[in-house]
Amino acid sequence: GENVEQHPSTLSVQEGDSAVIKCTYSDSASNYFPWYKQELGKGPQLIIDIRSNVGEKKDQRIAVTLNKTAKHFSLHITETQPEDSAVYFCAASAGKSTFGDGTTLTVKP
Amino acid sequence: DAGITQSPRHKVTETGTPVTLRCHQTENHRYMYWYRQDPGHGLRLIHYSYGVKDTDKGEVSDGYSVSRSKTEDFLLTLESATSSQTSVYFCAISASTDTQYFGPGTRLTVL
Repeated sequence: GENVEQHPSTLSVQEGDSAVIKCTYSDSASNYFPWYKQELGKGPQLIIDIRSNVGEKKDQRIAVTLNKTAKHFSLHITETQPEDSAVYFCAASAGKSTFGDGTTLTVKP
Repeated sequence: DAGITQSPRHKVTETGTPVTLRCHQTENHRYMYWYRQDPGHGLRLIHYSYGVKDTDKGEVSDGYSVSRSKTEDFLLTLESATSSQTSVYFCAISASTDTQYFGPGTRLTVL
C-alpha cells in the first residue's frame, strides 16, 4: 500500500519567515495530494491541494509543489503569522488517502 | 464548513463495553470515512463507505465494525472496547474519492 513520510515533525519559525514542509510518497498511482491544517481540538481542514497533472499551485501565502518523478511534494507558507501555528498533514491518494504523521508548526511573534 | 456532526464529542467507558460513535452529514456525499488519530501516527483509516450498505476495511479495522443504513449516517462500533482503542476518532465525507472534509472529532477514553 501507499506510504507517506512527512518532515519535519516539528518546525518553529519567527513571524514573517517562511515555512516549508516536505512529504514523500511511494505509490506512483497516487494522483491527488491535499494538505490539511488542524488546530487544537478541531478536525483537519483542507487548505490546498494539487493533482498529478500540475506542478505547482498557489493560494495567497500558501503554495504547494509536486515532483512526480521524485515522488515528493511540499507545502510552502510565506510571511508566516501566529495564526498559522497548527499541525499540518499531507496526504497522497489513489482513491483512498494515506496521511503523513503531521508537522507541528509554531510561529513565534 | 461541510455539514458534518459527530456524537458524542467525548466519551469515557470501561474495557469490555460496547461503544457506538455516530457521524451525520447534511451534504449528501457518497463517501464516508472513519479515522483514528493517535500521537505520532497521524490519521489512520479504520473503515469507509462508498454508498448505503457498501463498506470496506481500512488499515486498522480490527476490533471495529461499521454500518451505513442511510446516506447521511455512518456508525462506528467497538464491540468490546479495549484500552488500545483510546483515541480521537474523526469522520470524513467526500463527494468523490479525493477531497475529504472532516468532522470535529470524538475523544474516546477506555479505562
